[in-house]
Amino acid sequence: NAGVTQTPKFQVLKTGQSMTLQCAQDMNHNSMYWYRQDPGMGLRLIYYSASEGTTDKGEVPNGYNVSRLNKREFSLRLESAAPSQTSVYFCAIPDGGLGNTIYFGEGSWLTVV
Amino acid sequence: KNQVEQSPQSLIILEGKNCTLQCNYTVSPFSNLRWYKQDTGRGPVSLTIMTFSENTKSNGRYTATLDADTKQSSLHITASQLSDSASYICVIPTSGTYKYIFGTGTRLKVLA
Repeated sequence: NAGVTQTPKFQVLKTGQSMTLQCAQDMNHNSMYWYRQDPGMGLRLIYYSASEGTTDKGEVPNGYNVSRLNKREFSLRLESAAPSQTSVYFCAIPDGGLGNTIYFGEGSWLTVV
Repeated sequence: KNQVEQSPQSLIILEGKNCTLQCNYTVSPFSNLRWYKQDTGRGPVSLTIMTFSENTKSNGRYTATLDADTKQSSLHITASQLSDSASYICVIPTSGTYKYIFGTGTRLKVLA
């Protein structure tokens, strides 16, 4: 997973608190995605950014906001955390090439109590 | 509706044994399918990609097959090792969009 760095690795929040997950890449790719992974479900897209300065909603955007700070960084913010947002979050970089490989970060484990 | 279904949900085998994981899909149009391995506590990592024209591809002890007619792919693991214990996820991109369709994965446990 070299090239995609996520922070923090673990976080416990109280309901209503806010926090930001950070993602940085050194792969010089245009697209950056945020997914969440829940037991028994495939990864679901929260938000994505096709290029610097643009962001779009994915399948499950409610309760989240994002910022594409520059080409390297894409942050995910929970404004008012809810227990339903307890999940594992992955930042991902699709290379967009012929192989369509997705490079994932190591994940951020978030628990909302 | 674009879907990717994997079976079994979980599997336990003894070290040294072989196993086969299945991925059935209804994604259209289809261009390629990729298998990922996700170790516990880590992000998924690509194992292999199958394009529309390929039937079989090997990556060490992993062999992936694709039948585009029946819309099925399989991942065969030969002579399993403890380090093969992981979740295996089948992923298909949707053509012309940002979206990737993820299967729910098969959780494999290899016992000594």
